[in-house]
Amino acid sequence: AQSVTQPDIHITVSEGASLELRCNYSYGATPYLFWYVQSPGQGLQLLLKYFSGDTLVQGIKGFEAEFKRSQSSFNLRKPSVHWSDAAEYFCAVADNNNDMRFGAGTRLTVKP
Amino acid sequence: EAGVTQFPSHSVIEKGQTVTLRCDPISGHDNLYWYRRVMGKEIKFLLHFVKESKQDESGMPNNRFLAERTGGTYSTLKVQPAELEDSGVYFCASSLSGIQETQYFGPGTRLLVL
Repeated sequence: AQSVTQPDIHITVSEGASLELRCNYSYGATPYLFWYVQSPGQGLQLLLKYFSGDTLVQGIKGFEAEFKRSQSSFNLRKPSVHWSDAAEYFCAVADNNNDMRFGAGTRLTVKP
Repeated sequence: EAGVTQFPSHSVIEKGQTVTLRCDPISGHDNLYWYRRVMGKEIKFLLHFVKESKQDESGMPNNRFLAERTGGTYSTLKVQPAELEDSGVYFCASSLSGIQETQYFGPGTRLLVL
């Protein structure tokens, strides 16, 4: 069965600084990987997804993620964080039935 | 187009009572999923419907939980009787058919069992 680890429970960055959120997955076959964001009081919104092809995936809101098979990682990055990016971020992996498994989430705080 | 909706948004009940959560998927989405997040922990998969059939219910914690999707449209998740550890946020998601289809999530129902 697939599983996801997000090692960082909480990260604080200054506005304008770069961001990297870590995600490691475990899955025997080709993984389908996702990053979702949840803002307070909102549902989960898809930032980006990886199924195949180019290992560097561009998403919404200026986010990108890189799939590294050798490291079983799918880290999320943004070159310059905005205050509105403060939220909780979830990495997920899906199997061939589209059944998804999530990480525990990383809460991002943005300092002015 | 309306997104995934969930009702109620919040529910506070006493241990031993029954609660029914409802999810209305995006129109035309055959796949419907239920997830739960207990405070501070990961979002856990509960089950997956394809139309009215249960494709995978391996995540259902025990037989106090009953999910239905009559007619392949909206779904309900009933907890009877509720226990303290059932507290959390219950998310519903829906998608079109196909392994590369995005799951669209509802805002969740926050359940508190006292």
